[in-house]
Amino acid sequence: DSGVTQTPKHLITATGQRVTLRCSPRSGDLSVYWYQQSLDQGLQFLIQYYNGEERAKGNILERFSAQQFPDLHSELNLSSLELGDSALYFCASSPLKTSGRLDEQFFGPGTRLTVL
Amino acid sequence: KNQVEQSPQSLIILEGKNCTLQCNYTVSPFSNLRWYKQDTGRGPVSLTIMTFSENTKSNGRYTATLDADTKQSSLHITASQLSDSASYICVVFYGNNRLAFGKGNQVVVIP
Repeated sequence: DSGVTQTPKHLITATGQRVTLRCSPRSGDLSVYWYQQSLDQGLQFLIQYYNGEERAKGNILERFSAQQFPDLHSELNLSSLELGDSALYFCASSPLKTSGRLDEQFFGPGTRLTVL
Repeated sequence: KNQVEQSPQSLIILEGKNCTLQCNYTVSPFSNLRWYKQDTGRGPVSLTIMTFSENTKSNGRYTATLDADTKQSSLHITASQLSDSASYICVVFYGNNRLAFGKGNQVVVIP
């Protein structure tokens, strides 16, 4: 158990809908990262928040947005869902601001999103 | 072309045997390289983190090597166990807080 929690574990929805994925980082970790993992693309970095502020952006679509709240939990909002958005969405947390340094990233169990 | 290439894409090995997974990358400037183990349906778990000056790092039966000059890394699994069946992902941190992922090596250990 990494100490990172994600809800829900599974989510099934229809195209065009909007969903919210939730992540609670390890106690004391200030950074939260969101990743998308699909079968053909592997892990893709979406976005990072540090202490409530956006820190780095990866391959995140405009239909997707995220935020980190004062209690440090984070939410990833996915809207106008398409079939291709079906994937595992992972959240990871770390104590430090910069992932390029030797900080450990601890991954949550993931949310499996299926868009029908 | 992917910035991080892993090979083989998948392999099957007998329990107790050794295997070596390869990771070649093209990104720069290099910061560090990490190997993660991901069990099916679970989040990745870090095995090793290697910086430019480190050639070898071990974590139990896992040994990672790094040649920053040729931009190559390997992960060697010794005396494989059934629990080693997983995807092994190579991640390279580079530049200003940027990272590149390989697609993973899928390892299946059979009794």
